[in-house]
Amino acid sequence: GIQVEQSPPDLILQEGANSTLRCNFSDSVNNLQWFHQNPWGQLINLFYIPSGTKQNGRLSATTVATERYSLLYISSSQTTDSGVYFCAVGKRSNDYKLSFGAGTTVTVRA
Amino acid sequence: NAGVTQTPKFQVLKTGQSMTLQCAQDMNHEYMSWYRQDPGMGLRLIHYSVGAGITDQGEVPNGYNVSRSTTEDFPLRLLSAAPSQTSVYFCASSYSIGPTSYEQYFGPGTRLTVT
Repeated sequence: GIQVEQSPPDLILQEGANSTLRCNFSDSVNNLQWFHQNPWGQLINLFYIPSGTKQNGRLSATTVATERYSLLYISSSQTTDSGVYFCAVGKRSNDYKLSFGAGTTVTVRA
Repeated sequence: NAGVTQTPKFQVLKTGQSMTLQCAQDMNHEYMSWYRQDPGMGLRLIHYSVGAGITDQGEVPNGYNVSRSTTEDFPLRLLSAAPSQTSVYFCASSYSIGPTSYEQYFGPGTRLTVT
């Protein structure tokens, strides 16, 4: 199956700092999503971004499909940004079957 | 819209017991799927369905059964619970246009403990 690698595995930030999370994948994809899992375990959709760039408030994401990576940017981080960020991809042939990375655990300190 | 709903939220089973985890969506999505999440890991696909009456296996299907008699519901059955099935279970759904599916939406999860 498709391999998904996220880096870094852990990130500790001071409130107000900016950060970049990376997702590398091993095959062509038709589907790429970023999720935030909050401390209560809920998976929150951040971006559906198989290619291109999107922005939503302090968060933005860029996927370069030809080079098989995606980046998630968090600007002016807040304590509510803490949690685990997952990248999930679906291969071109069956894009509804998502493969998840192991996640990046983000801790934002006040 | 309620989105994707799952019941129960928590469940404790003894080894060998069977049970059904319920999942429903009210978005008229064709695709539905079940994932499990173990500590420190991403989600792994158990079973999925591309429409009513059609199901298939994912990455970790052993010990689980599914059926899809309606578009709205996609229950997951544990046939004989084992401690290795202790996990958090997530149901998801997504819409499609032709052969391409789009953004998946996840339910709140069911935390299952098997003793």
